[in-house]
Amino acid sequence: ETGVTQTPRHLVMGMTNKKSLKCEQHLGHNAMYWYKQSAKKPLELMFVYNFKEQTENNSVPSRFSPECPNSSHLFLHLHTLQPEDSALYLCASSQQQLAGAGLGSYNEQFFGPGTRLTVL
Amino acid sequence: GENVEQHPSTLSVQEGDSAVIKCTYSDSASNYFPWYKQELGKRPQLIIDIRSNVGEKKDQRIAVTLNKTAKHFSLHITETQPEDSAVYFCAARGTNAGKSTFGDGTTLTVKP
Repeated sequence: ETGVTQTPRHLVMGMTNKKSLKCEQHLGHNAMYWYKQSAKKPLELMFVYNFKEQTENNSVPSRFSPECPNSSHLFLHLHTLQPEDSALYLCASSQQQLAGAGLGSYNEQFFGPGTRLTVL
Repeated sequence: GENVEQHPSTLSVQEGDSAVIKCTYSDSASNYFPWYKQELGKRPQLIIDIRSNVGEKKDQRIAVTLNKTAKHFSLHITETQPEDSAVYFCAARGTNAGKSTFGDGTTLTVKP
């Protein structure tokens, strides 16, 4: 499946490094999400972007900085991470309907393969 | 905010038996309830979903039921097969910008 792609697939970084995760969706969706998946909290929503605007920041530390330059691309910039930030970072996208469409804004989220991040 | 609880955390069944996973949610405004299956090393994928205007939905061997009054919904898998072994996540979503709250997952093991 190539609907939602993520790079890199694996990343090892030191606590002082700066790195970025990239997500790209080829489904024409208008909403994108970052999730963190770890043993402690299997699927934890981090950020939501609708129509390139951030609509949700789920109390994520500032060492994670998202960027959404257009509706097809989503980045997660990482700096001065901690070992406990090691996890699988999943990107997802969905088609959100406009307000007033009368059908609600719920639609299936398509997940990317994830980036396995290890912080040393 | 929304709180979703999922039980059990692990479930082991014999091939051919049925498996039931239950979730409860707290926000009565939630109106969409998807279930995702995540096989080892793979991404979560939607297997079935239900909207709040429906009480039950079935797709071959899987079905989902929703009780809005009690705020709980369940996944039912009949005639389980070893390939059903995976982690299953429930989620609840309201109309608030599409945010989904996921349960903690159930690891299902189907023994041949």
